[in-house]
Amino acid sequence: DGGITQSPKYLFRKEGQNVTLSCEQNLNHDAMYWYRQDPGQGLRLIYYSQIVNDFQKGDIAEGYSVSREKKESFPLTVTSAQKNPTAFYLCASNLGTNTGNTIYFGEGSWLTVV
Amino acid sequence: GNSVTQMEGPVTLSEEAFLTINCTYTATGYPSLFWYVQYPGEGLQLLLKATKADDKGSNKGFEATYRKETTSFHLEKGSVQVSDSAVYFCALRGGTSYGKLTFGQGTILTVHP
Repeated sequence: DGGITQSPKYLFRKEGQNVTLSCEQNLNHDAMYWYRQDPGQGLRLIYYSQIVNDFQKGDIAEGYSVSREKKESFPLTVTSAQKNPTAFYLCASNLGTNTGNTIYFGEGSWLTVV
Repeated sequence: GNSVTQMEGPVTLSEEAFLTINCTYTATGYPSLFWYVQYPGEGLQLLLKATKADDKGSNKGFEATYRKETTSFHLEKGSVQVSDSAVYFCALRGGTSYGKLTFGQGTILTVHP
């Protein structure tokens, strides 16, 4: 089945550790995105990539890093510099930047700092 | 920049009641507008969309009309079910944030039998 796969679903991190969230899509989409969702709030854009080997910062990029070495993969690293990383993280993708194209989301990853 | 404002929730309704969730936006140009739904612990699913003024998006009994004159995209359903309980997000794409989605805060809907 085509779709966006995020892993792990649940992740616990000790303070001071870096963790990487995986996002893989088999939809042949060019653009990929990472959003953060906090309880009772909307989604905020962390990073996005419109093409392989290129990515741009979103609204809340500090403390995060990404790579886009393959079209189907867009991993997100939450670094120790991120002051409040506990949140629900959503990966998304779409065919291109035409504004009418639908952006599709994965099932999300819960990150908790312990 | 772009922004989306949704009515504050939570919204609590009885089954078969009429639903309206208000959404207004600020953007330059001609953005596309979306409603997404999120069930507990899951990602977002597209509910409906409209890409130009006066378009009506519809799906699963939900409807929303792109009103450029009032910069609105209100979500409606004539008769809600318990299974419609979820968080609903209004979003836009385009204007000054080319290619990216800008979301409203989300509205929690609870439907009781």
